[in-house]
Amino acid sequence: EVQLVESGGGLVQPGGSLRLSCAVSRFTLSSYDMRWVRQTPGKGLEWVSTISGSGGSTYYADSVKGRFTISRDNSKNTLYLQMNSLKGEDTAVYYCTKSGGRRELSFDDYWGQGTLVTVSS
Amino acid sequence: EIVLTQSPGTLSLSPGERATLSCRASQSVSSNYLAWYQQKPGQAPRLLIYGASSRATGIPDRFSGSGSGTDFTLTISRLEPEDFAVYYCQQYGNSPRTFGQGTKVEIK
Repeated sequence: EVQLVESGGGLVQPGGSLRLSCAVSRFTLSSYDMRWVRQTPGKGLEWVSTISGSGGSTYYADSVKGRFTISRDNSKNTLYLQMNSLKGEDTAVYYCTKSGGRRELSFDDYWGQGTLVTVSS
Repeated sequence: EIVLTQSPGTLSLSPGERATLSCRASQSVSSNYLAWYQQKPGQAPRLLIYGASSRATGIPDRFSGSGSGTDFTLTISRLEPEDFAVYYCQQYGNSPRTFGQGTKVEIK
C-alpha cells in the first residue's frame, strides 16, 4: 500500500519559517508529480503547490508564490515544502498528495495524514 | 478560476437510503476532469471517483459518479454506516485545480 507521511508542522510566529517533509514509500517517487494541499475550516481544501517527477517544473498558488518553495529528493523518497514569511492565513493542515495521472493537472490518488501548521504570536 | 458549488450543504439520511450529491461548476470542466473525495473526521480525504465516473481502486460499486460540462453528481446507492462523512468534488481540468466546499452526509 502506498504511504505518505508528513512531518515538520508546528507553531510558528508571523514572519517565521517552517519546512515540511513528506516521506513516501511503496512507489517510485520520480515517476509522479507530487503536491501539497492545505485545509482550513474557513477556506476548505486549497491546492498549494505541485512539482514534476523530475523536479524540473514547479507550480504555486498565487497565495503562496514567492514565499513557499516545493522540492523533492528522489533518492531519499522525500518531498519538501519550505515556507517563509508565514502569515496567519497560512494556518492549516497541510497534506502531501500523489498525482493520480500523468498530466500536471490531475487528481490526487493518495494523501498523507496531514501536519498542522499554526501561525500565531 | 473555476468555482465549484456543492449542494446540499448537509444531507440527513438513514442507513440503506440513497444519497445524491451535486457539484456545479462556474464554467465547463475541461474533459470532465472531475473527482470526488470522502473525508471522515481526523482523516485525510480519500479518492472515490475520477474522470467524473471512474471508480478509484477499492471503491465499492455503491458509489457512482455522473455528469458533464458544469453539472456533476455523486450517488451512493445504499448508505452503509461507514459512508457518513463529508464529500468534496474537485476539478482538475483547468488551472488552478479547485475544490468544492463539501457536503456532509449525516445520520438522520
